[in-house]
Order: sequence, then C-alpha cells, then structure tokens
Amino acid sequence: EAGVTQSPTHLIKTRGQQATLRCSPISGHTSVYWYQQALGLGLQFLLWYDEGEERNRGNFPPRFSGRQFPNYSSELNVNALELEDSALYLCASSLEVVSADTQYFGPGTRLTVL
Amino acid sequence: AQRVTQPEKLLSVFKGAPVELKCNYSYSGSPELFWYVQYSRQRLQLLLRHISRESIKGFTADLNKGETSFHLKKPFAQEEDSAMYYCALGSGGSNYKLTFGKGTLLTVNP
Repeated sequence: EAGVTQSPTHLIKTRGQQATLRCSPISGHTSVYWYQQALGLGLQFLLWYDEGEERNRGNFPPRFSGRQFPNYSSELNVNALELEDSALYLCASSLEVVSADTQYFGPGTRLTVL
Repeated sequence: AQRVTQPEKLLSVFKGAPVELKCNYSYSGSPELFWYVQYSRQRLQLLLRHISRESIKGFTADLNKGETSFHLKKPFAQEEDSAMYYCALGSGGSNYKLTFGKGTLLTVNP
C-alpha cells in the first residue's frame, strides 16, 4: 500500500511570493490534515479537509489556505510568504472522520523563504 | 484550550535500562492521547494510543486523568528505540485536531 506522498520535497521561495504544496492521501482515505513544523515550535495543526470541505483550521493567518480535490488529494497555499514561514510542512491522512483514528504522515515538504 | 507538555527535550539512557518519557496535557473535555515516533530518516508514525491499551515494541502508556498525564514507558530500552517521540492530544469533536507536544529525543546508548 502506497503511503501519503507530498511534493515537492524542497521548495525555495523569496519573501512575498506564493508557495503551493501538494499532498496525496493513502487510497481510500478521505481526510487530509496539514501541519507546520517550524524550528523550536514543534508540530502545529494548520488545516483539516474532509470530503472536499475545510473542517477546521489552526491558529494561522488567512494567507494559509488550501483545498481538497474530488480525488481527495490536497493543496496547501501560502500567500505573501514571510521569512518565518520557513518550515517543514507535513500532510497526514486518515480513513474516517472519527476521533482517535490513526493519522498517517507523509515525508513532508521543506519550505525555505529567503 | 488544549495543551501538551513534554518536559524533556532530550533523554539519554543505556541499553537495558528502563525509560519513561513524560507527557502532561491540559484539556477540559474527554481526551484522546497518542504517542507518535519518528526514527531517523523515516516519517512520523503512530506508536500507540490510549484507547487501545496495547503494548507496541515493548512500550506502554497509561492515561492518568487525575494527574493529566500519559507517560510512555519501557522496562528495558533497546538501541533501536532511539528516536524522536511526540505525545499528541486529540480533541474537538466536529472540530477535531491533534495537538502535539514539542517532542523528546530519546538516545539509547550501547
């Protein structure tokens, strides 16, 4: 079974630009979660999508947005990039929208903002 | 608001010694607790969850609601246990999310 995949592996942008990160969940998983892992801040919840809709978002500004496509893959967009957006962005998927369901993580996209 | 605290950033033990990774949480509702692990050059993966009450790779964790703790324990550490361990709290019902602690890097020395 293929795991969660993310692309690109690395992304380098300059301040003010936009970044687009992509995630493909495990086949059959309908929920996709995005997390930011910035140095010193640990893993922070960003967004949760299920069945094409945004279900919850963490404490991040609106320039962090995303969407989920009919095939359940997802895209995270970060507009007006700031230096502090440099981080590892992790995507996870789960089979059902039930609490305590296992989230399976992808390898991450390393975003560097110069 | 929910919060997860892992007081130790680094923990070093010798092979065969007992190990305990501490996790405390703050949440007003009914918590769901998890331990995730990340081995070197691997992705983050679930180790165990409190509702399963199972032992994985010799690790156990008991939810103590009185002390709001979910410490991870193993009686005899192995070198292959060296990894980053994250405690996580699931909460929110229809606004479900996982709140992670900042992690503890466990090193098991030979």
